[in-house]
Amino acid sequence: GAGVSQSPSNKVTEKGKDVELRCDPISGHTALYWYRQRLGQGLEFLIYFQGNSAPDKSGLPSDRFSAERTGESVSTLTIQRTQQEDSAVYLCASSSDGPTDTQYFGPGTRLTVL
Amino acid sequence: GDSVTQMEGPVTLSEEAFLTINCTYTATGYPSLFWYVQYPGEGLQLLLKATKADDKGSNKGFEATYRKETTSFHLEKGSVQVSDSAVYFCALSRGGSQGNLIFGKGTKLSVKP
Repeated sequence: GAGVSQSPSNKVTEKGKDVELRCDPISGHTALYWYRQRLGQGLEFLIYFQGNSAPDKSGLPSDRFSAERTGESVSTLTIQRTQQEDSAVYLCASSSDGPTDTQYFGPGTRLTVL
Repeated sequence: GDSVTQMEGPVTLSEEAFLTINCTYTATGYPSLFWYVQYPGEGLQLLLKATKADDKGSNKGFEATYRKETTSFHLEKGSVQVSDSAVYFCALSRGGSQGNLIFGKGTKLSVKP
């Protein structure tokens, strides 16, 4: 079956521009996560969606970052007024039920802010 | 706050050598513990996991035992292969409403023939 997909795979933008990153989770997975991986660093949690519950936004680094999810399907991570420190690989993961289930990761979107 | 510390790399081994990558954690309660692997040019994938103390996760010849007394989850393999070259991440999840994974910084393993 299809895994988690993300688009675009690469994004180069200029400082100050807004970007949107998309994640398509595995069909039927109720939980969806966004992480960020900066060069030489581990993965940082950004935001977590579980079903119809309010998302856990505790990992978002600033109010320039926001994310939405349509039902139990596609999610979009938006970064407004991008800064050079936003350059990273943004990873999306989904799991079938909840946080103790295995999270399946997408290939990531590499964002470069010039 | 909760955290994961793993040994820094890179680690370079010869084929058939024994591998240990140390991982320790700090967490409240009883987290689940994971090892993820990222092969060159590929996405992150689960290697093994353990959900309670004394559980042993195993996969592809790799093993890790959840040690609550030492708050550790060290990854071991008896005989590594060139194809094991990858970056390995230790992670924990507290579950419940705090379901996100907390990752270590990753350890790059290179296995030479």
